[in-house]
Amino acid sequence: EVQLLESGGGLVQPGGSLRLSCAASGFTFSSYAMNWVRQAPGKGLEWVSSIIGSGSSTHYADSVKGRFTISRDNSENTLYLQVNSLRAEDTAAYYCARALDAWYTFDIWGQGTMVTVSS
Amino acid sequence: QSVLTQPPSASGTPGQRVTISCSGSSSNIGSNTVKWYQQLPGTAPKLLIYSNNQRPSGVPDRFSGSKSGTSASLAISGLQSEDEADYYCATWDDSLNGPVFGGGTKLTVL
Repeated sequence: EVQLLESGGGLVQPGGSLRLSCAASGFTFSSYAMNWVRQAPGKGLEWVSSIIGSGSSTHYADSVKGRFTISRDNSENTLYLQVNSLRAEDTAAYYCARALDAWYTFDIWGQGTMVTVSS
Repeated sequence: QSVLTQPPSASGTPGQRVTISCSGSSSNIGSNTVKWYQQLPGTAPKLLIYSNNQRPSGVPDRFSGSKSGTSASLAISGLQSEDEADYYCATWDDSLNGPVFGGGTKLTVL
């Protein structure tokens, strides 16, 4: 079964950091670009970042550029998101999502991990 | 404020046909393909439509998508109670150089 399982979320103070993980199974992980998409409580979806299959190219939304870093370990079938300098507005459920094609069609989603930024 | 504009809510009765609109511009919908995602309460989004009108395996043919110019629509025929969910349109934006989503439409089955 194709599956994505996120972990690493939690409560963190403003300015703090977290490392989110997404464990993939059931497909050839290295063949797919992977993404992080977030959703603030009661709000819509916002794309955060993407990384191609080899890991050699990354892409970020302006709202997180310079603070978040996406990476992947294809030997461990795991996607990561290092989130630094967290702000209250980063509070959201963070989903990892597989890209079906080059047009950012997200065909497989994880269940999400919640990040809450509060003092 | 979302780049793509959707009505915040829509409703219908069981068996009815409902449509949800998604309005954009020449830099997004006008020049790229549209996807639709369904998010049931408390769950992760699910791909419903891609490439404007293609359904992934397992998505019932009650769901259909269309695109014209800078707008797109999702139609749901034979509405069922389990269709009650939030629906999001999405596409690539050439100006923003990234994927963008609509604000979402909450569908209520009366």
